[in-house]
This record gives sequence, structure tokens and C-alpha cells, in this order.
Amino acid sequence: DQQVKQNSPSLSVQEGRISILNCDYTNSMFDYFLWYKKYPAEGPTFLISISSIKDKNEDGRFTVFLNKSAKHLSLHIVPSQPGDSAVYFCAASGNTAGKLIFGQGTTLQVKP
Amino acid sequence: DVKVTQSSRYLVKRTGEKVFLECVQDMDHENMFWYRQDPGLGLRLIYFSYDVKMKEKGDIPEGYSVSREKKERFSLILESASTNQTSMYLCASSPAGSNQPQHFGDGTRLSIL
Repeated sequence: DQQVKQNSPSLSVQEGRISILNCDYTNSMFDYFLWYKKYPAEGPTFLISISSIKDKNEDGRFTVFLNKSAKHLSLHIVPSQPGDSAVYFCAASGNTAGKLIFGQGTTLQVKP
Repeated sequence: DVKVTQSSRYLVKRTGEKVFLECVQDMDHENMFWYRQDPGLGLRLIYFSYDVKMKEKGDIPEGYSVSREKKERFSLILESASTNQTSMYLCASSPAGSNQPQHFGDGTRLSIL
């Protein structure tokens, strides 16, 4: 049973436009959410996180939105750059053990 | 800056072999994790450890074991490698407690022939 789902395997946007990556979860006990970026042949890199007590967190060009009632989070990248082309994973946690549940990933392509 | 180092970037082994994947972190993190990444399946947790000599099964532990004799080192062992264990293996670490991001190594691409 997939507790964290990224329903779009891929996304293509033009450089300078907004990229919106989506993630849904089923477990209402999740209280911490993260986004990771992964280039080929490298490990995932932590991008941004949000606690369930907030509905928005911003870091430069990256903003994560959390809608707890819909069990949905999204990552906005504005403006998108070709270097943002990578696989993006969302992850969620609901315990004190540091264990994360990951989505399947979305491949973002930003075209020059 | 957190550094998680995996001993090999690429590894080719034969079915039935015992395979060791090594991971070392330099930030004195309590938690360490082993994942495998397969296309369309994301990252799936194999095993994790909260402390030296402690280990917990993740979502797909079958065919694997782990060892954590020292805080900085977490080893993944494929007891008898099979072709369905061909995958990208990722090690991660994080500090103790909740709401902490995990930091990943660059992965080991393991092929079982």
C-alpha cells in the first residue's frame, strides 16, 4: 500500500516558468514532509521541508505548500532553470524514529 | 557539511555470492538507513539502525541483513545475491529525533549476473 504517491511520473516546463510538483499521502499521522532532488548517478539531496503545523515554507526559488485536509503537498519552483532538471521525491514522516516514506518520484525537465 | 560515503559506485557480482555494501558517515549521526531505488518504485527502505548494534527491518528486508558495529559505519549484506537484487542502493544518515532530514550517499549501482 503506497502511503505517499506522486501521480505524475514526469513534467516538462519552459525555462523561467513555474514548475509545480505534486504529492499525496494517505496516513493522517504524518507530521513532517520533505522534498529531495536527485540527479543521475548521485544520491538524493535535501531541498526543503515543512512541518504539519505550517501550510507554507519558502526557501529562495522553492516553496512547499501543505494542505492537511486534502492530504496533499506541492513543490513550486519559480523561476524554473535548466539545472533544476532532475528527479524529485517527496517524503513523509510520522514517528520519532526518523524513518521516511518516499513517493515514486517525478522527473522534471526544464527546457531552455 | 554532512558526508555519507558509500564504498563502491559500481559493483558487479554473480548469483549466490555474499555481497557487502559499506557506508560511512562523518557527522556522528545516530540514525542510519539503507534503501534501494528502482524505476517507478521510488526509494524503498530495507533496514535502519538507531544506534550501534541496533537494527530494525524496513519495508523490504527479505534477502538482506545489516551490521552496525561502530556508530559511523552501517553495512548492508546480501546473503546470497539474486538477479532481482540488481538495483541502486542508497545509504543515508540523520541525527536522533524527529523532523530531521536524512543525508544520502551517492549510491552503489549493483548488478547481479
